[in-house]
Formats: sequence, C-alpha cells, structure tokens
Amino acid sequence: GENVEQHPSTLSVQEGDSAVIKCTYSDSASNYFPWYKQELGKGPQLIIDIRSNVGEKKDQRIAVTLNKTAKHFSLHITETQPEDSAVYFCAASSYPAGGTSYGKLTFGQGTILTVHP
Amino acid sequence: NAGVTQTPKFRVLKTGQSMTLLCAQDMNHEYMYWYRQDPGMGLRLIHYSVGEGTTAKGEVPDGYNVSRLKKQNFLLGLESAAPSQTSVYFCASSLRGFGTEAFFGQGTRLTVV
Repeated sequence: GENVEQHPSTLSVQEGDSAVIKCTYSDSASNYFPWYKQELGKGPQLIIDIRSNVGEKKDQRIAVTLNKTAKHFSLHITETQPEDSAVYFCAASSYPAGGTSYGKLTFGQGTILTVHP
Repeated sequence: NAGVTQTPKFRVLKTGQSMTLLCAQDMNHEYMYWYRQDPGMGLRLIHYSVGEGTTAKGEVPDGYNVSRLKKQNFLLGLESAAPSQTSVYFCASSLRGFGTEAFFGQGTRLTVV
C-alpha cells in the first residue's frame, strides 16, 4: 500500500519568513495530493491540492509543487503570519487505470508549524 | 449550515464498555469517513461509506463497526473498548470520494481507562 512520509515534524519560523513542508510517497500511481490544515481543537481543513497533470499550484501565499519523478511534493507558505500556526497534513491518493474512483487517502504524520510574532 | 457535526466531543470509557459515536452532515454528501488521529501517525482511515446502506473497511478497522442507515448519518461503534482505542476520532464527508475535498467534524476525544 501507499506510504507517505512528511518532514519536518515540527517547524518554527519568524513572522514574515517562508515555511516549507515536504512529503514523499511510495506509490507511483498516486495522482492526487491534498494538503490539510488543522487548527487547535478543530478538524482538518483543505487548503490546497494538486493533481499529477500539474507541477505547481498557487493560491495567494500558499503554493504546492509536485515532482512525480522523485515522488515528492511540498507545501510552501510565504510571508508567514501567526494565524498560519497549525498542524499541516499532506496526503496522497491514486486513481487506478480502469478504475471508477480514487483510492483511499493516505496521510503523512503531520507537521506542527509555529509562527513567532 | 452546520457542515459535519460529531457527538459527543469528549468521552471516557472503562475497558470493555461499549459506545457509539454519531456523525451527521447536512451537505448531501455521498461519501462519509471515520478516521482516528494519534500523535506522530497522522490520520488513519477506520471505515468509510460510499452511500446510504453501504460500508467498507479502511486501514485500521479492527475493534470498530459502522452503520449508514441514513445518508446524512454515519455511526461508529466500539463494542468492547480497549486502551489502544484511546484517540481523537474524526468524521468527514465528501461529495464524490477520496479525490475530492473532505469536510471534517470537530473531533471526539476518547479515553479508555
């Protein structure tokens, strides 16, 4: 089955700096890669996702890059703000050839991001 | 629009006791999921449902049962709780399966003593 490794487990940055979280996956058939943000006491919330036909996707201060050859994808947050402090999860899923739906999502272990004012 | 609502938010059980966690969604989503979250292990899928009356096993189904009698509700049952089931449980729903955005509830913190 799919295995998703996420690094680092904790990340501390100063307000205004950039933050980068990296994930590697094992199943070369994976082609859907979402990122979820979990604030304290809440459930995860999708912040951005990317599919394998795209190498990079941006949404304001957030971007995700995908390298299918190396089987890794990364979340980039620029100009970090204290409200970016949260736990971030990457995930991967595959749509098998001849299949009718995406397979189960496999999540990374999570990264605790702390942005210091 | 409440989204996904989980009941209860907190619960303490004694080993061997049973309980049911309730999840309700008001977005008319077909897919519903139960995950558990443990430190350093991310989110692991317990069971899921692709529609009313259907259920399927996820990554860690042992010790749990589920039912989806109504489209908007997805119940997670623990028949005989064990300390290893101490965790935070999240319910989620999505419109069209794992390749689309999942909407999560606020979680249930369960402690088995």
